[in-house]
Amino acid sequence: SAVISQKPSRDICQRGTSLTIQCQVDSQVTMMFWYRQQPGQSLTLIATANQGSEATYESGFVIDKFPISRPNLTFSTLTVSNMSPEDSSIYLCSVGERDRGKLFFGSGTQLSVL
Amino acid sequence: AQKITQTQPGMFVQEKEAVTLDCTYDTSDQSYGLFWYKQPSSGEMIFLIYQGSYDEQNATEGRYSLNFQKARKSANLVISASQLGDSAMYFCAMREYRGSTLGRLYFGRGTQLTVWP
Repeated sequence: SAVISQKPSRDICQRGTSLTIQCQVDSQVTMMFWYRQQPGQSLTLIATANQGSEATYESGFVIDKFPISRPNLTFSTLTVSNMSPEDSSIYLCSVGERDRGKLFFGSGTQLSVL
Repeated sequence: AQKITQTQPGMFVQEKEAVTLDCTYDTSDQSYGLFWYKQPSSGEMIFLIYQGSYDEQNATEGRYSLNFQKARKSANLVISASQLGDSAMYFCAMREYRGSTLGRLYFGRGTQLTVWP
């Protein structure tokens, strides 16, 4: 199983600012994903981070709000832009196992926006 | 329709007892996988157990077992000999397999398990 390092683990941010979350994997992976978990809710897929091309966003999520970079097969970043209190959530990076699609997750970033 | 249904928002169990967390799923595909994850209060998501739709035997991983009833479309998680550290949110998830393509992973709303001494 992949070891995924995600940082920061938590942050408190002011409205209108941006935060970049980093995800580092200890091995090369093809599938890398970003999820959001709002308080008391289940996980929602934000986007699939594609190496060498633009991320694929799910309905309700746009690149201007959640720009994603994937410069290589071991690293990705998610930026939460122009934050509002509604962006307060846990953000999780995950990588997928190819054959069964089992996901491994980073430790998550708990974001609070004031 | 929801792909994954977890009807128990919260469950309580005494230490050393067994507990069953319910999960039902909805799919018309024949090939799919079922997953359970544990999320402690720290927020990380920990993979617990996997069951493939064609697996004839119920999956087991240590104290975790998956009670897979295909005809009823249920995939309940059984935790034996509960420990205080098992207190967490538990999510059931499903992924459909379509040839070489992996469908998206659908998560349920979760069950909060509390283990008391």
